Amino acid sequence: ELKVEQNPLFLSMQEGKNYTIYCNYSTTSDRLYWYRQDPGKSLESLFVLLSNGAVKQEGRLMASLDTKARLSTLHITAAVHDLSATYFCASPPGGYNKLIFGAGTRLAVHP
Amino acid sequence: DVKVTQSSRYLVKRTGEKVFLECVQDMDHENMFWYRQDPGLGLRLIYFSYDVKMKEKGDIPEGYSVSREKKERFSLILESASTNQTSMYLCASRRPRQTGYGYTFGSGTRLTVV
Repeated sequence: ELKVEQNPLFLSMQEGKNYTIYCNYSTTSDRLYWYRQDPGKSLESLFVLLSNGAVKQEGRLMASLDTKARLSTLHITAAVHDLSATYFCASPPGGYNKLIFGAGTRLAVHP
Repeated sequence: DVKVTQSSRYLVKRTGEKVFLECVQDMDHENMFWYRQDPGLGLRLIYFSYDVKMKEKGDIPEGYSVSREKKERFSLILESASTNQTSMYLCASRRPRQTGYGYTFGSGTRLTVV
């Protein structure tokens, strides 16, 4: 059964610093999704990575996918307070529709 | 953009009540999903549907059922609500392959069972 593991689960960052969130998944899958969730709110789609080597960037966030290593990364560049949220990665097991989510990384950016 | 609408933002129900959570999407998507989210447990799939009247159990279907009579509407039913079903419930709809398989989530229903 597919398992999705994120690390770290909690990240306290200083504004202006860079950091990477890692997402490992246990079985073959060709897609990886990143979501953002603000407290009390629903999930907002950030990136959909559809193939090996896919890289997508939006503002200070960049996501990549290595299907051979079963690894996706979410890189934060020059963090700002507005990026404080919980970030989830999710992947569907091969041949299935459903998404399996990681536990989430709670990011807190402080001055 | 796809819109996924959940009928209630907050609900308070009594133990033993039958509860209906409604979800509507406006893009004729075939695949729809119900998740629940709990602190420390993340998002867990309850049920999903890949077409009208078609449904499959997710990872935690016990105590729940679903209904999909029309393509745009996917309902989650708590047959007899219990306090351990207090949670945030999230509905999602998935785009077809040709548009990137993206999943869009509704705003969520925070259910409290007392």
